[in-house]
Amino acid sequence: AIQLTQSPSSLSTSVGDRVTITCRASQGISSALAWYQQKPGKAPKLLIYDASSLESGVPSRFSGSGSGTDFTLTISSLQPEDFATYYCQQFNSYPLTFGGGTKVEIK
Amino acid sequence: QLQLQESGPGLVKPSETLSLTCTVSGGSISSSSYYWGWIRQPPGKGLEWIGNIYYGGSPYSNPSLKSRVTISVDTSKNQFSLKLSSVTAADTAVYYCARQGFLERWFDPWGQGTLVTVSS
Repeated sequence: AIQLTQSPSSLSTSVGDRVTITCRASQGISSALAWYQQKPGKAPKLLIYDASSLESGVPSRFSGSGSGTDFTLTISSLQPEDFATYYCQQFNSYPLTFGGGTKVEIK
Repeated sequence: QLQLQESGPGLVKPSETLSLTCTVSGGSISSSSYYWGWIRQPPGKGLEWIGNIYYGGSPYSNPSLKSRVTISVDTSKNQFSLKLSSVTAADTAVYYCARQGFLERWFDPWGQGTLVTVSS
């Protein structure tokens, strides 16, 4: 199975900051990566698919990049509603796998 | 818009079988463009893909769960189901159902999730 390693596992930051989360795959997955946002007690919400395509309705401050084994999710200017946990997921091959998550907290 | 809703017992005894159903509304489960999947999340932990099924059958499950998983579909009821046998405390989790693209294999939308606790 392809392993996804996210870093950092958590970060403390402030409203207005630029945030970058990385996801590294144990083998190349082309651009077959999605990013999700999860708030406490809620289901994950799709943000980005195909590594860099923004899901409809998702604010443009979210962006994704990368291909092969290294990917990033960037939030250009963090808003109060963005404090949440973020997960990457690869869909290059079965079994589908998720990263361990990155919790974005208020400093 | 498409909505998914999980249902089933919230408490299961060790060694028994966990059974959940996902009801799809606002769209047909018989779409050729999608799989229907199950994902779980132990309390305070990350996400684990359990498996999926196409409307015509052909379920696929995570090898990590070995032969304990059975996924089925009932197109007449617009539902799909999960059975996980021989459960232990390690199977305690929030269980989500979600739509998964046939080729674009990300998950969207998701059900709200249901907590299943394994305890005697």
